[in-house]
Amino acid sequence: SAVISQKPSRDICQRGTSLTIQCQVDSQVTMMFWYRQQPGQSLTLIATANQGSEATYESGFVIDKFPISRPNLTFSTLTVSNLSPEDSSIYLCSVEVAWERPNTDTQYFGPGTRLTVL
Amino acid sequence: KNQVEQSPQSLIILEGKNCTLQCNYTVSPFSNLRWYKQDTGRGPVSLTIMTFSENTKSNGRYTATLDADTKQSSLHITASQLSDSASYICVVTSNQAGTALIFGKGTTLSVSS
Repeated sequence: SAVISQKPSRDICQRGTSLTIQCQVDSQVTMMFWYRQQPGQSLTLIATANQGSEATYESGFVIDKFPISRPNLTFSTLTVSNLSPEDSSIYLCSVEVAWERPNTDTQYFGPGTRLTVL
Repeated sequence: KNQVEQSPQSLIILEGKNCTLQCNYTVSPFSNLRWYKQDTGRGPVSLTIMTFSENTKSNGRYTATLDADTKQSSLHITASQLSDSASYICVVTSNQAGTALIFGKGTTLSVSS
């Protein structure tokens, strides 16, 4: 398994500011993922962050709005820039751990960061 | 289009009762199906993972079934407890163009005393 921590756990921010979320994993992982979960909705993948390369963004998400850093194999940050109330969501980081049995790779999620934008 | 549909959207049951949550999917090619439990304000936690050849998988009071022919899965919770109150999310993995996770919207379960 993998133990994931996120900071901050929650924050309230003003419109137009930015928030940087940190994600720390207790083991080295190749791929880290950032998700957004809007109120009452399921998880939506924002981007995939690989160490040593630029993050890969999903449709509808751009680097200028959601810059990501991945300086090493245990850490990543997601910044949500130029905040608006529509950015109010829970942001979760996730890692995938490969197991020996085929097709059983499991994703582990961090506890999430609850962002409220006023 | 790859989709995962869950039902019911929400459910209220009395403590000690059993319940079954449903998941239908139209994901292809199929790699595996996972059930996650997400407590309020927390990240999802994996309950079970099943591949194409597996029909049932248990984790304590949670039993998941998979019918790959009809593309249906269920999560059965036995002797529910107050701590089972959470959102249960069905996630199907496809290996098409890399590994993609398709999330259901979840079923919100409330267990009352």
